[in-house]
Amino acid sequence: ETGVTQTPRHLVMGMTNKKSLKCEQHLGHNAMYWYKQSAKKPLELMFVYNFKEQTENNSVPSRFSPECPNSSHLFLHLHTLQPEDSALYLCASSQDSSGGAHNEQFFGPGTRLTVL
Amino acid sequence: KNQVEQSPQSLIILEGKNCTLQCNYTVSPFSNLRWYKQDTGRGPVSLTIMTFSENTKSNGRYTATLDADTKQSSLHITASQLSDSASYICVVKAGTASKLTFGTGTRLQVTL
Repeated sequence: ETGVTQTPRHLVMGMTNKKSLKCEQHLGHNAMYWYKQSAKKPLELMFVYNFKEQTENNSVPSRFSPECPNSSHLFLHLHTLQPEDSALYLCASSQDSSGGAHNEQFFGPGTRLTVL
Repeated sequence: KNQVEQSPQSLIILEGKNCTLQCNYTVSPFSNLRWYKQDTGRGPVSLTIMTFSENTKSNGRYTATLDADTKQSSLHITASQLSDSASYICVVKAGTASKLTFGTGTRLQVTL
């Protein structure tokens, strides 16, 4: 295990539903990330939080709403999603968001999301 | 535009055989390059990191090489095992930026 947990592991939701993804890291890190992984496409960075402050929003639609109450927890609130939002959503954490050579990102197992 | 291209897209090899995965990048200025292994249903796990001054680095049966002049990296897997079946993702970091550029990965299947 990498020290980053995600729940739920699988989620099926309708386009009118509201759901939330949860990520927790037990590594004492200060930066947390949300990524979207679609088939045959590179990981897409969605959001970055550093010391609980959002430092990056990679032009993500407003139907995705992140929340970072503290350095150990990260949520992704979902509402009125589209079928093309179906993907694996990965959470990651690192010491901070500076991206230095030894500032490795540790990934959680992901939430497999299916939007009907 | 920063890009990372990996080849082949997928690969099937027999258990015990060796294989080499390729990564070409156009990320500039280069800072470091990581190879990640992603098992099905799991998040990526770092195998090795290469910085500008490093040409070769090994992690058990995994050996990564880096040619900063040609902007190419390879991941060589020796004596493959069934547990090596996974996607291998090349990730490059540019300069002082925090954003990483990910490749699409190579899907490796090791069979009996």
